[in-house]
This record gives sequence, structure tokens and C-alpha cells, in this order.
Amino acid sequence: GQQLNQSPQSMFIQEGEDVSMNCTSSSIFNTWLWYKQDPGEGPVLLIALYKAGELTSNGRLTAQFGITRKDSFLNISASIPSDVGIYFCAGRTQGAQKLVFGQGTRLTINP
Amino acid sequence: DAGVTQSPTHLIKTRGQQVTLRCSPKSGHDTVSWYQQALGQGPQFIFQYYEEEERQRGNFPDRFSGHQFPNYSSELNVNALLLGDSALYLCASTRLTYGNEQFFGPGTRLTVL
Repeated sequence: GQQLNQSPQSMFIQEGEDVSMNCTSSSIFNTWLWYKQDPGEGPVLLIALYKAGELTSNGRLTAQFGITRKDSFLNISASIPSDVGIYFCAGRTQGAQKLVFGQGTRLTINP
Repeated sequence: DAGVTQSPTHLIKTRGQQVTLRCSPKSGHDTVSWYQQALGQGPQFIFQYYEEEERQRGNFPDRFSGHQFPNYSSELNVNALLLGDSALYLCASTRLTYGNEQFFGPGTRLTVL
């Protein structure tokens, strides 16, 4: 079945550092999404990407939809304590509603 | 504007029992999807309901069933509970015809003993 491989699994950084994480798939996706999940909460949508090669920003967050449509990355610049949490990539194929999620990247920030 | 709400927040059941989880979609949304999230994993798609019908289903056994009501709220039922059914169950809603992305609720934490 479809699977997304997300890396790294966890990151330990200092406040103010930049963060980069990525997601790869053996299948093509037509939509890539990045979510953040805090403890005890559901995932919250950060960025949605709909076109191969698309680069989209949301404040300090930037995400790109890979040209092959099989990968995506998320960058966070100048990290702050509230960036702590688990980040998930998710993909959706043409005409489908179901989202396929990666395993998540757990971000920990040392003040 | 209320977001997606789910009840109950937590639930403890024993093996073999049956459970019903509830979801109210975000105002203006007509489509509800259910996901299972095991500890340390990403959410996995169970099924989606639109116009009171199951429209798409993931790789889950028939023990998992659902329902959507005329007011767009939804229930997830799981029969003959197994220890492996312990997870966070997430509901997500969207307005299908607008092509919006899915908004997630806070989830119901189910523990099967």
C-alpha cells in the first residue's frame, strides 16, 4: 500500500536554529500537506501544496512540493519554543479524499 | 465558530466489548473522515462519510463501521474490541464540493484492556 517515509524521526535543536524535515514516497501524490500535532490535540494544518515544484510559505514555515511528485520538505526558520511538537506530512492522490500520513518528526527545542 | 468536536475524550473498554465514538463536524462542513492513530505513528484512514453514505474505506476490518446523520455528525463503531484497537481516534471534516482541506478534532483516546 501507499506509504510515506518521513525523516528525521526526531530532532533536538537549540532555540533560534533552522529546521528541515522531509517526506518521500514510492507513489505519486497530487497534494502534499504538512500538519503539526501537539499533545492531546488533533493535527493542525500548516501548509498545503497542490502543484509539482510549488514553494509555499506560512510565516517562518516554508514547504515545497517535489518535482517528481514523490517528495516534499518543510523548513522552519529561527525556531521558537512553541514550535515544539510532532510534524506530519500527508499526501493525497488524484480524486481521493483519504490522506496518507508519514510517521512524524518529533521536534524538541532546548532554550 | 466551533471546530470539530469529538466525544468522549477518553474511554476504557475490555476485549470483546463494543464502542461508539461521536463526531460533530466544523460548521459548514458536510463530510466526515475517521482516522486511527496508534502511539508513535501517523494517523491511518479508516473511512469517509458523505451524504450519509460510506464513500471511501481504508484497510480496516468490518468490525469498524460508521454512520452519518442528516445533520452531518458521525459515529464510529468498533465491535469485538482487540487490544490492538487501543489508539487515538481522530475525526476530520471538510466541505467536499469546495475542495477544502480536512480539519481535525482533538480525538478520542480508546484504551482496550
